[in-house]
Amino acid sequence: SQQGEEDPQALSIQEGENATMNCSYKTSINNLQWYRQNSGRGLVHLILIRSNEREKHSGRLRVTLDTSKKSSSLLITASRAADTASYFCATALFQGAQKLVFGQGTRLTINP
Amino acid sequence: DAGVTQSPTHLIKTRGQQVTLRCSPKSGHDTVSWYQQALGQGPQFIFQYYEEEERQRGNFPDRFSGHQFPNYSSELNVNALLLGDSALYLCASCPLGWTSGYNEQFFGPGTRLTVL
Repeated sequence: SQQGEEDPQALSIQEGENATMNCSYKTSINNLQWYRQNSGRGLVHLILIRSNEREKHSGRLRVTLDTSKKSSSLLITASRAADTASYFCATALFQGAQKLVFGQGTRLTINP
Repeated sequence: DAGVTQSPTHLIKTRGQQVTLRCSPKSGHDTVSWYQQALGQGPQFIFQYYEEEERQRGNFPDRFSGHQFPNYSSELNVNALLLGDSALYLCASCPLGWTSGYNEQFFGPGTRLTVL
């Protein structure tokens, strides 16, 4: 079963606008990771944020984590057509092995 | 430096058959995980291998089994295939994954399995 929910399930914006995706989860975590997937291909790792971190940046990406609310958000600034993809959050809790538990993803479409 | 590689890319099988999928981890990585991704869903954890042993298993039946070799590569075997096993199977690797909870996992391109 999925760990949590991503919101929205689909998002369509104009090129140059910012895109925000949210992720909620249910259990304790060691870290939360965001991945991108193009057209049913492999997942590309975007950013990892540890449970003791509140915000992290990588290029045009900004991730926040609120462990008290069990939620995270991914902001993509100045979107480009190449950002069109599905975005997944995945939580990790180390219990002798690191298992990632994914949400159902947000389908992002950037219109030129 | 090659990333995670998987073979084959696509596979078509019929119900009841058996299938073996293969994965080579990224150089320097010794931990391999397998995930199943049904169409329109997020990936679901099948199991993770480290030091040639299954370290953790998701909610999958015994028809799903795996193996890790001394060179860290891994196989996923599925017996008695069902229509519902049709999915993208993803392999992921990370370094010393079982000793740390803070490693990103690198994913391969996946194997698309279709069961008819």
